Amino acid sequence: LAKTTQPISMDSYEGQEVNITCSHNNIATNDYITWYQQFPSQGPRFIIQGYKTKVTNEVASLFIPADRKSSTLSLPRVSLSDTAVYYCLVGALSYNTDKLIFGTGTRLQVFP
Amino acid sequence: EAGVTQFPSHSVIEKGQTVTLRCDPISGHDNLYWYRRVMGKEIKFLLHFVKESKQDESGMPNNRFLAERTGGTYSTLKVQPAELEDSGVYFCASSQSRDNEQFFGPGTRLTVL
Repeated sequence: LAKTTQPISMDSYEGQEVNITCSHNNIATNDYITWYQQFPSQGPRFIIQGYKTKVTNEVASLFIPADRKSSTLSLPRVSLSDTAVYYCLVGALSYNTDKLIFGTGTRLQVFP
Repeated sequence: EAGVTQFPSHSVIEKGQTVTLRCDPISGHDNLYWYRRVMGKEIKFLLHFVKESKQDESGMPNNRFLAERTGGTYSTLKVQPAELEDSGVYFCASSQSRDNEQFFGPGTRLTVL
């Protein structure tokens, strides 16, 4: 499973767009990129998943360049409630086991 | 629809005692996972059930940990005897199929004194 590297922390203000970049230089051909969000005292929560180019849902957008060695999670117009830890995970959907491999995550702090 | 629930939310025990954690997955989810985060470390996979069968238990740290899922519904994770290094947050997750997202419970915070 590919190792991921992402910033330990980021600060932002309400209303701003936040972009969190994750590096995964050893991503395999059949790997997907998945982002989870975790609030204090809660379990991680799936945000978005993609394979290539751009994926958008009601929560975020995920940008994946052609070489797929990195990805960027984009949160439009963040609010205080977006303060959380964001994890970038890389792995195929159809391994014999589907264990998620979490890295250190990026701690996003949104200020008023 | 109820989410993944875990019981208890907190547990404080002394070294050498036994603790049993329970996880109730989302109804209909055949896949159930246990993870844990020990102090200062990353969330680590422990094991994966498909219905009542253990699909992958490669993350179980040692034989003091025993996970069961009798009947393929709820699961228990027993630690016996507990050691200081077992302190941390234990998460349970479930998914409908192996190609679906995993839904996590709120976790059980275990403190071993």
